Amino acid sequence: ETAVFQTPNYHVTQVGNEVSFNCKQTLGHDTMYWYKQDSKKLLKIMFSYNNKQLIVNETVPRRFSPQSSDKAHLNLRIKSVEPEDSAVYLCASSSGGAQDTQYFGPGTRLLVL
Amino acid sequence: GDSVTQTEGLVTLTKGLPVMLNCTYQTTYSPFLFWYVQHLNEAPKLLLKSSTDNKRTEHQGFYATLHKSSSSFHLQKSSVQLSDSALYFCALSSNYNVLYFGSGTKLTVEP
Repeated sequence: ETAVFQTPNYHVTQVGNEVSFNCKQTLGHDTMYWYKQDSKKLLKIMFSYNNKQLIVNETVPRRFSPQSSDKAHLNLRIKSVEPEDSAVYLCASSSGGAQDTQYFGPGTRLLVL
Repeated sequence: GDSVTQTEGLVTLTKGLPVMLNCTYQTTYSPFLFWYVQHLNEAPKLLLKSSTDNKRTEHQGFYATLHKSSSSFHLQKSSVQLSDSALYFCALSSNYNVLYFGSGTKLTVEP
């Protein structure tokens, strides 16, 4: 049963364009995350938000900017995409504790031509 | 900094055989370890987790024991099934409660 929703599923764009991805969770969690999964399937944390506040920014390029309107929503904007941004972007949520399970959305696959 | 190492990139086994996927970690904080499984074109899902030293945790036939003395959290199953074919990630929860993932092990189970 899906409780973390992401749109779009797939997006193709050209170098230099701006893209936005949306994430919504219905689990009532306070903390949300963006992870990037590259073509080699490596999973890396990008950002975490707790109740609309940025907690972790894991040395992500400035063209990436997360936005949170409330604790159930976390969006990701990429200002001017580059080829290395081609990846699957996974949104997750949790109660925020170190031992709390993180629940992942299905991901948004970005292809930059 | 925090890190996780998974030494096997690819593991191929015949159905019914046992498997062990290795995971070691480095952290200066109290460790919380997780195993996530990702089936093809699906989201990663929690398989099991632990923060208790030397206590075995089990789920869906898989089991793992956190050993703080050796900084390890290996995943095992006594008899793999075709449906176990997937990508398995070991992950460490950091001081800021984000997950640091290992590079993943692709498990393929053959008939």
